[in-house]
Amino acid sequence: SAVISQKPSRDICQRGTSLTIQCQVDSQVTMMFWYRQQPGQSLTLIATANQGSEATYESGFVIDKFPISRPNLTFSTLTVSNMSPEDSSIYLCSVVSGPDTQYFGPGTRLTVL
Amino acid sequence: QKEVEQDPGPLSVPEGAIVSLNCTYSNSAFQYFMWYRQYSRKGPELLMYTYSSGNKEDGRFTAQVDKSSKYISLFIRDSQPSDSATYLCAMSLGAGSYQLTFGKGTKLSVIP
Repeated sequence: SAVISQKPSRDICQRGTSLTIQCQVDSQVTMMFWYRQQPGQSLTLIATANQGSEATYESGFVIDKFPISRPNLTFSTLTVSNMSPEDSSIYLCSVVSGPDTQYFGPGTRLTVL
Repeated sequence: QKEVEQDPGPLSVPEGAIVSLNCTYSNSAFQYFMWYRQYSRKGPELLMYTYSSGNKEDGRFTAQVDKSSKYISLFIRDSQPSDSATYLCAMSLGAGSYQLTFGKGTKLSVIP
C-alpha cells in the first residue's frame, strides 16, 4: 500500500481567506482523489486529479472554489478558496494502489471562523 | 433514499464479543465493496475489500456481500479495545470506475 502524507494536519482560518493543502505519496500513482468529510456526513468525493490533465470535479464542486494542481505523479494540492464556516471539514487525499483499492492520507482538519 | 445506508451507532460491546456491522445500498451496479477503519483524528484505513457476492476472511474479520439483498456486513470476532474506531463501508462500480460511495460510518467502542 502507498504511504500518504498531508500538510497541514490542521489549521484555523479566517472567513474569506484561502488555504492550500498538500498531498505527498511515497510512490508514483496515476490517480489521486480529494475528499471532504463533514461532521456526521459521508466521505464525499470533491474531484479526481490525474497528472497531465485538468481535474474532474463532482457535482456540487467547482474549480473556482477548489482549484487543484497535480504537477507530478507523487504530489497534488487542493486549495479551499474564499472560505466560509461551511467549509470547516476534514479534507483527505487518496490514491489508487492495486486493483480497485484506495488508500487515504491522514487528513487535514480545517476550521473556518 | 440515500445510495448507501449505514447505522451510525454508536455501538458499544464488551471485549471478546462478536461485532456485526452492516450497510445496505440501492445501486445494484456496485461491484466492489470495502470496509475502512478510521481511528479518531486519522485517515480511513482499508480493512477489507470484496468483489461481488460472497465471503472473505482475514484473521478476526469477515466481510460478507449479498448482492441479491443489496446488503454487506463486517463481522469482528473476539473484539479488542484496539478495534474501537469508526467503520466505514464503501462501494464502487469497478471496471475502471474508482469513485467510492461511502456510508456515514458506525462508531464502535469495545469496552475492556
